[in-house]
Amino acid sequence: GQSLEQPSEVTAVEGAIVQINCTYQTSGFYGLSWYQQHDGGAPTFLSYNALDGLEETGRFSSFLSRSDSYGYLLLQELQMKDSASYFCAVRDPQAAGNKLTFGGGTRVLVKP
Amino acid sequence: DAGVTQSPTHLIKTRGQHVTLRCSPISGHKSVSWYQQVLGQGPQFIFQYYEKEERGRGNFPDRFSARQFPNYSSELNVNALLLGDSALYLCASSLEGQGFEKLFFGSGTQLSVL
Repeated sequence: GQSLEQPSEVTAVEGAIVQINCTYQTSGFYGLSWYQQHDGGAPTFLSYNALDGLEETGRFSSFLSRSDSYGYLLLQELQMKDSASYFCAVRDPQAAGNKLTFGGGTRVLVKP
Repeated sequence: DAGVTQSPTHLIKTRGQHVTLRCSPISGHKSVSWYQQVLGQGPQFIFQYYEKEERGRGNFPDRFSARQFPNYSSELNVNALLLGDSALYLCASSLEGQGFEKLFFGSGTQLSVL
């Protein structure tokens, strides 16, 4: 089976940096994805890491360490619009297709 | 281009009733997946369909069923509704439905069972 752990909530001020950690236990592993979801909105794809290291996309970066079964999402220069829930997710290699298993989500609250 | 569209956006049903939720994928996407999201939790996989064939099924009872039509749109059906079925039901589409692919989610149908 697959399980992912991430903190439930993080609070920070505008302009700060937030790191959201994700540890996973999986029977197989292809890569770690991150999705953002605003209240009442659709989850939207942020990043995907299949190999160890850091991937940077604008103010957001994502890191993966396969040996530690660990990844994180780094949000830099926080803006009010970054207040949302962030989910890490893994694809189930034992399932056909592209079934994703999601973590419980980290709610990020950005304060002025 | 239109994103993934779902209907209805909100629905209120009573226990024991049946519900049908609808999803239209992004044009050109052949795979549709359904997820259930309970408040405060991550989405949970229910079904994936590709080219009208069921590609995957999550750990949900047989009261849940789905199908995909030739135009790649999809329906999720839930019979004999229980209070615990109250959740946001998300539809996601992708091009081929296998390997790593970005999932494009709709805004969901909020189902309340009273």
